Amino acid sequence: AQKVTQAQTEISVVEKEDVTLDCVYETRDTTYYLFWYKQPPSGELVFLIRRNSFDEQNEISGRYSWNFQKSTSSFNFTITASQVVDSAVYFCALSEWNRDDKIIFGKGTRLHILP
Amino acid sequence: DTEVTQTPKHLVMGMTNKKSLKCEQHMGHRAMYWYKQKAKKPPELMFVYSYEKLSINESVPSRFSPECPNSSLLNLHLHALQPEDSALYLCASSHSQTGSGTDTQYFGPGTRLTVL
Repeated sequence: AQKVTQAQTEISVVEKEDVTLDCVYETRDTTYYLFWYKQPPSGELVFLIRRNSFDEQNEISGRYSWNFQKSTSSFNFTITASQVVDSAVYFCALSEWNRDDKIIFGKGTRLHILP
Repeated sequence: DTEVTQTPKHLVMGMTNKKSLKCEQHMGHRAMYWYKQKAKKPPELMFVYSYEKLSINESVPSRFSPECPNSSLLNLHLHALQPEDSALYLCASSHSQTGSGTDTQYFGPGTRLTVL
């Protein structure tokens, strides 16, 4: 069965610090996709990244970066030089090939960036 | 443009009321979803429509009735709800051309529902 674990329930850092959000997943499939979504207090889930299981290259987008390691089944997310606007709940999610449009969300990590 | 719109933003209803939530997308996506999200929890899938047909019902009580009038619109009809149904209801859409379930889902801003 597929499963996504975000062990960090809540994290607080001071603005401008770097912060890493952990995501560990379980799947028996060789073809799968991993996602990160951001949910600010307004409620909308904002798509950040989608990565397939055959692409282990790290991704960087501005202050955001993602480290995908199949050997440890992890897909961690780092925010560099955090800003108050980064305060949100971040969800990691997993979808397997031929899973009928279902994605499995982790429980989320609530990130507080303190000014 | 990756916009999914939802109306209303907030809804308060009594347990005997009938109301509807509306979701719209103009991205040409062929799969649309309803999720329910309680406070401090991840979204829970309720329904999936693929090519305007209901493909997944996650054993949702019949007081929730989805409808997909066309490929751009998704409704959720509510009737005789309970206070525990109070939650954020999120709509999403995806290309789902392959039906593989691995396409990115784009979410709307949600409707905050309160049942009195």
